[in-house]
Amino acid sequence: GAVVSQHPSRVICKSGTSVKIECRSLDFQATTMFWYRQFPKKSLMLMATSNEGSKATYEQGVEKDKFLINHASLTLSTLTVTSAHPEDSSFYICSARRLAGVPMLIEQYFGPGTRLTVT
Amino acid sequence: KQEVTQIPAALSVPEGENLVLNCSFTDSAIYNLQWFRQDPGKGLTSLLLIQSSQREQTSGRLNASLDKSSGRSTLYIAASQPGDSATYLCAVSLSSGSARQLTFGSGTQLTVLP
Repeated sequence: GAVVSQHPSRVICKSGTSVKIECRSLDFQATTMFWYRQFPKKSLMLMATSNEGSKATYEQGVEKDKFLINHASLTLSTLTVTSAHPEDSSFYICSARRLAGVPMLIEQYFGPGTRLTVT
Repeated sequence: KQEVTQIPAALSVPEGENLVLNCSFTDSAIYNLQWFRQDPGKGLTSLLLIQSSQREQTSGRLNASLDKSSGRSTLYIAASQPGDSATYLCAVSLSSGSARQLTFGSGTQLTVLP
């Protein structure tokens, strides 16, 4: 099966610093990657959609200058939380979409998530 | 705007029971619907994916049905086990839009008691 990794799995940083989270598709090429945010006992909220080589598309209410997304290759996307504040503390999950062999069958594979705590 | 609702929010059952989790969505123009499992502090594991043209999918003790016209899906778990304890999320992707991003429900937290 397709595997998506995230690094780090857990990070604690001080308020005002920036944190980079990596999302990698390990055994397939991902033309599209998605970044989600999840609050405790809540569902996943889509933050942005990124396509390799182009600018990310951000959902309404998500600050693109605060959450920088780079999709430099077909296997790597990064999310940088700039000038982090305690309210940015959350569980961040990425997913990667590949085009499966069967026409029109598209699937997303999810990473294990990154727990960010800003103190 | 697509909205996905899951009922109940939490469910606790004794081991061995059969159970049904419900998911409803407001826009019936979906491309597919997926059921996921999420363990505490972990990512998502895809359980079943139903295309809009399908009515159900089965995998082991799991069976998911889809009634697109009424905007509903159910996840049936047979002979539940303590290892089934997790949060179950359903998500839909719309037919329109090339990105096919998923809209998630808020999940049902399942506890299977030994």
